[in-house]
Amino acid sequence: DTGVSQDPRHKITKRGQNVTFRCDPISEHNRLYWYRQTLGQGPEFLTYFQNEAQLEKSRLLSDRFSAERPKGSFSTLEIQRTEQGDSAMYLCASSSTTASGNTIYFGEGSWLTVV
Amino acid sequence: AQSVSQHNHHVILSEAASLELGCNYSYGGTVNLFWYVQYPGQHLQLLLKYFSGDPLVKGIKGFEAEFIKSKFSFNLRKPSVQWSDTAEYFCAVKEYGNKLVFGAGTILRVKS
Repeated sequence: DTGVSQDPRHKITKRGQNVTFRCDPISEHNRLYWYRQTLGQGPEFLTYFQNEAQLEKSRLLSDRFSAERPKGSFSTLEIQRTEQGDSAMYLCASSSTTASGNTIYFGEGSWLTVV
Repeated sequence: AQSVSQHNHHVILSEAASLELGCNYSYGGTVNLFWYVQYPGQHLQLLLKYFSGDPLVKGIKGFEAEFIKSKFSFNLRKPSVQWSDTAEYFCAVKEYGNKLVFGAGTILRVKS
């Protein structure tokens, strides 16, 4: 499968711990996005990259959240000092600005539970 | 900023019934509109999209959607649902910066 892959798929952590999620986009997709989804809601935009540049961050992305895409390929999303309110599904997506239609493709997500 | 409203959070239909899921977005201008589907245990998949042209858009698996600019709507339809259409459906609009703004989703359950 050459889709967007995310790791880990599930993470349970204690409040106050740091967690990191990794996303590998579809090969040669130059845009990469992070979204967050909670139960009963649609995905909410967090941030996106074009190549290695982080072009936009949502107000939802507090100072405890940081995302990187150092070589313009995979990306990491780190949450420091986790809080129970951080429990959610973290979705990664990618797209290509050169492909027709510029469709955004999503990964299966990483479930975070903060206890 | 755009917002997206999906009218029904849960819909239950029998097989072969017709489906229409409502979606409204908050303001006009040029919009790119999408419907995504999430089958149980799977990732979000694109059903169909509207960028311009014919306001009646056909997607995969027999789904279609109609863009009505005057009503700020992009409703999803299927003439005859199957049990395998059981899933959660999300309407989305593309905002500046290429980000998608999603509705809260509609959970469809099709009874066999």
